[in-house]
Amino acid sequence: GDSVTQMEGPVTLSEEAFLTINCTYTATGYPSLFWYVQYPGEGLQLLLKATKADDKGSNKGFEATYRKETTSFHLEKGSVQVSDSAVYFCALSFHGSGNTGKLIFGQGTTLQVKP
Amino acid sequence: NAGVTQTPKFQVLKTGQSMTLQCAQDMNHEYMSWYRQDPGMGLRLIHYSVGAGITDQGEVPNGYNVSRSTTEDFPLRLLSAAPSQTSVYFCASSYGGRASTGELFFGEGSRLTVL
Repeated sequence: GDSVTQMEGPVTLSEEAFLTINCTYTATGYPSLFWYVQYPGEGLQLLLKATKADDKGSNKGFEATYRKETTSFHLEKGSVQVSDSAVYFCALSFHGSGNTGKLIFGQGTTLQVKP
Repeated sequence: NAGVTQTPKFQVLKTGQSMTLQCAQDMNHEYMSWYRQDPGMGLRLIHYSVGAGITDQGEVPNGYNVSRSTTEDFPLRLLSAAPSQTSVYFCASSYGGRASTGELFFGEGSRLTVL
């Protein structure tokens, strides 16, 4: 079945370090891919998305590229800040006529950024 | 700018009690869903709905009941609470149809503790 695997955390970085959180997926068909972020004590917010192969999603300095050949959607940021400390979820769903209103999530990666 | 509204935000129950988590959205979304979030397990789908009067089970439906009498509301009922249902619950909604990207919009969550 469809699934998402992301790297285990927690990930601890110093401020201004480079961030990569790996995410790979298994899906029949061509899913949309998402990164959601959950700040402490809050709900999930969409961080970025990509709906087709080679699309790059970007927001708040974060980027991820939809790689069909490696079935990956790794999250990157060039210089993290303390305010980026959160839990990051990779997820997939299907769009258009394949949309069932469901997201399939990875297990989440906790990022802690130290000053 | 309400979006998806969940109530209550916090609830403590005793084993065997029943309760309803409320969810309402004001975006006229066709699709609504309930997830539970547990440490190390990401978010798992409990029940979902693709429109008023239509519901279906997700990955972990046991012990929960839903109905969807209107487009706006999608309550989640715990029939007889168990300690295993201690979790954070998220309601989500999304557009349906061919133009959708599959993106879900989340409420802020309801933290439930069952003693």
